[in-house]
Amino acid sequence: AQTVTQSQPEMSVQEAETVTLSCTYDTSENNYYLFWYKQPPSRQMILVIRQEAYKQQNATENRFSVNFQKAAKSFSLKISDSQLGDTAMYFCAFRPRDDKIIFGKGTRLHILP
Amino acid sequence: DTGVSQDPRHKITKRGQNVTFRCDPISEHNRLYWYRQTLGQGPEFLTYFQNEAQLEKSRLLSDRFSAERPKGSFSTLEIQRTEQGDSAMYLCASSPRTGNDNSPLHFGNGTRLTVT
Repeated sequence: AQTVTQSQPEMSVQEAETVTLSCTYDTSENNYYLFWYKQPPSRQMILVIRQEAYKQQNATENRFSVNFQKAAKSFSLKISDSQLGDTAMYFCAFRPRDDKIIFGKGTRLHILP
Repeated sequence: DTGVSQDPRHKITKRGQNVTFRCDPISEHNRLYWYRQTLGQGPEFLTYFQNEAQLEKSRLLSDRFSAERPKGSFSTLEIQRTEQGDSAMYLCASSPRTGNDNSPLHFGNGTRLTVT
């Protein structure tokens, strides 16, 4: 079975610091896609960043970047210069080719003023 | 693009009653997904459609749950004989199916079900 594991249930960092959220996944597939989603309190889930497994270059979106290690099946999210608005649940997600997206249990991130 | 719309936002029902939720996806999206999310957990896959065809249904989905997408546009999720364990947020999401499977899901605001 394909699974996604987020080992950090909750994290807190000071505003402007850098934080890394970890994610590992288990699959026998070679082609797949990885995503990080953000769910602010009482608000809808939105995409933060995505990565194709066949691309070696790590994806970057402004202050958000990933460290994709395919052999280790690891897909961590780094948030630089964290802001109060980054406070949210963050979900790592995995999509085998042409199939549904599977989510991890999430990491609750608190950005402290 | 008006986004994914779900109705109702909240539903409180008594155990044993039937409930139905509706999801209107983004108009050009041919894939539609239903997920269930309990407090502090990640979304759990329930089922998904490509156009009007239901492609997969999770083993989590008991016989009391049924979903339809009759014309390949909006979808309904019905829960019969609700139980307290059905209390959760029910999320709908849509995506286009293109040749590139990195298309992300676009989520609605969800329907929060409380079974008393």
